[in-house]
Amino acid sequence: DMKVTQMPRYLIKRMGENVLLECGQDMSHETMYWYRQDPGLGLQLIYISYDVDSNSEGDIPKGYRVSRKKREHFSLILDSAKTNQTSVYFCASSLSGTLNTEVFFGKGTRLTVV
Amino acid sequence: GEKVEQHESTLSVREGDSAVINCTYTDTASSYFPWYKQEAGKGLHFVIDIRSNVDRKQSQRLIVLLDKKAKRFSLHITATQPEDSAIYFCAAGGNYKYVFGAGTRLKVIA
Repeated sequence: DMKVTQMPRYLIKRMGENVLLECGQDMSHETMYWYRQDPGLGLQLIYISYDVDSNSEGDIPKGYRVSRKKREHFSLILDSAKTNQTSVYFCASSLSGTLNTEVFFGKGTRLTVV
Repeated sequence: GEKVEQHESTLSVREGDSAVINCTYTDTASSYFPWYKQEAGKGLHFVIDIRSNVDRKQSQRLIVLLDKKAKRFSLHITATQPEDSAIYFCAAGGNYKYVFGAGTRLKVIA
């Protein structure tokens, strides 16, 4: 069953707290992504991971970092969360970014920073 | 960098009619143009894509057209059904990076 799984689905954090969003995929995909979705803005790319320990900033990396120690697992970390990081975060994966293959998305994590 | 504009923010059609969603992009180097569907409370689900070496692709009721000269691509949904109601996102890019449009909320009225 081809799946991208995100945990947790909903999260409320206070400003200044650390946040860990987890993502897993069962397809042995090389490439994984973190996006955030805000109303009227579509999806904005935060980070790309090409494979284990091979990560690259996307378009809006400020305030975020990532970790990929296993091919099937990609984490997004917010150190000292800010209210403007309230958003829906999507993890995604694809077989290989260079082949322009289908990108599979998780169901999203709705993060509220108060 | 690439910018993608999705022209219709909302679109209402009667069941059985066709729906057309239009997108434009800026980077002539973009070579891959996927479309995604998002139903309420869910993630994005791939529906169809087109590569820059063709100008038309069809998958059942979905047709994608690509005009590289005008840097424009469009999704046509024919014989719409209520289950087509969702938010549709276009994207442009290639080689790892895709830029998404802001989304079109399609409502199919029975």
